[in-house]
Amino acid sequence: DTGVSQDPRHKITKRGQNVTFRCDPISEHNRLYWYRQTLGQGPEFLTYFQNEAQLEKSRLLSDRFSAERPKGSFSTLEIQRTEQGDSAMYLCASSPTWTVYGYTFGSGTRLTVV
Amino acid sequence: QQQVKQSPQSLIVQKGGISIINCAYENTAFDYFPWYQQFPGKGPALLIAIRPDVSEKKEGRFTISFNKSAKQFSLHIMDSQPGDSATYFCAASIIYRDDKIIFGKGTRLHILP
Repeated sequence: DTGVSQDPRHKITKRGQNVTFRCDPISEHNRLYWYRQTLGQGPEFLTYFQNEAQLEKSRLLSDRFSAERPKGSFSTLEIQRTEQGDSAMYLCASSPTWTVYGYTFGSGTRLTVV
Repeated sequence: QQQVKQSPQSLIVQKGGISIINCAYENTAFDYFPWYQQFPGKGPALLIAIRPDVSEKKEGRFTISFNKSAKQFSLHIMDSQPGDSATYFCAASIIYRDDKIIFGKGTRLHILP
């Protein structure tokens, strides 16, 4: 499978717990993006990496959120002290150097905070 | 501030009809306008995209019309089929610079068989 892979597909957690999601991009893509999508809304940009460098973070990414991309390969998104408002689909996408060449999304991780 | 405004929120079209979804943007620096299609349980998938130097782009049954002066663009789906039932997102980006894609809120399209 040469697409973008996200794990887990679903996560249910209790409020206050920490969660971590993983994204494996298409191997030749050096850009990786994280988005959040709530029900009935479009994806909202959270952050992106070029190789291992995190180039931009949205204001939506509070200090409870942290993302890493060690060695410029897979990426992880961690949410600490989860809140009910964090319940959403977390989408990862990857692209070659420039977006105009294509932006491929994974199927997402659906987080439910109870 | 919503940078890309999309309408309608939902749309019902008869099979064989034309589906039209509209978008407007504010930032004149945007220079790449993709449309994405999303099925339940899946991530969005790129459908068709346009740059502002052309007024129309057609790929099969899908056409983007672009009006730079009005800062508006639209997606037309000709001969709509039940398999086209999905959520469609317009989006915009400033390529070769910050490159992140900004999405509209989406249109849920349902094609009646």
